[in-house]
Amino acid sequence: ETGVTQTPRHLVMGMTNKKSLKCEQHLGHNAMYWYKQSAKKPLELMFVYSLEERVENNSVPSRFSPECPNSSHLFLHLHTLQPEDSALYLCASSLRQGFSYEQYFGPGTRLTVT
Amino acid sequence: QQQVKQSPQSLIVQKGGISIINCAYENTAFDYFPWYQQFPGKGPALLIAIRPDVSEKKEGRFTISFNKSAKQFSLHIMDSQPGDSATYFCAASNTDKLIFGTGTRLQVFP
Repeated sequence: ETGVTQTPRHLVMGMTNKKSLKCEQHLGHNAMYWYKQSAKKPLELMFVYSLEERVENNSVPSRFSPECPNSSHLFLHLHTLQPEDSALYLCASSLRQGFSYEQYFGPGTRLTVT
Repeated sequence: QQQVKQSPQSLIVQKGGISIINCAYENTAFDYFPWYQQFPGKGPALLIAIRPDVSEKKEGRFTISFNKSAKQFSLHIMDSQPGDSATYFCAASNTDKLIFGTGTRLQVFP
């Protein structure tokens, strides 16, 4: 596997379910990100993880819970979601080094909440 | 102050033509301006990026023009091809927390 991989690619879940999205990066990067992509809206940064810090977007509801066990893996735990949470969830990674801000994205998980 | 405004929302260009997408930002502290290309079913891919110390950067058929005083930057795709049909996103930042535009859907017809 190369680059940034995400599983599953598609997920349908009910509002009472609990599920997790998985992201893995094979680029030797030291920072990982979760984004939400909804139609006709800008990509929304949800969480940033690096060795030094975890940064949260304060507008992200607590029903989204990230976990980063090491620099290569990132999870997004989902529980009691709402229909408006249906979107494409993208994972990205970067090498935080000096002024380099290049981010590499995975293919995303298309989430549908019923 | 954190917004990035992108236009147009959609663009139709004939093969061989020039595609131009524009973005405007407000935060003068921003110093990194990338463009991403996204095909259906794929994640965004970094296409080209510019820093404010230059006014233009060219990579193949793709050129970024940057106007610091107007706080605007644009992507020019020369000799547009049907394979360029995708959604393009601009972004701006002075950290790795990128602020994205809303995207432009480009369709190039043969």
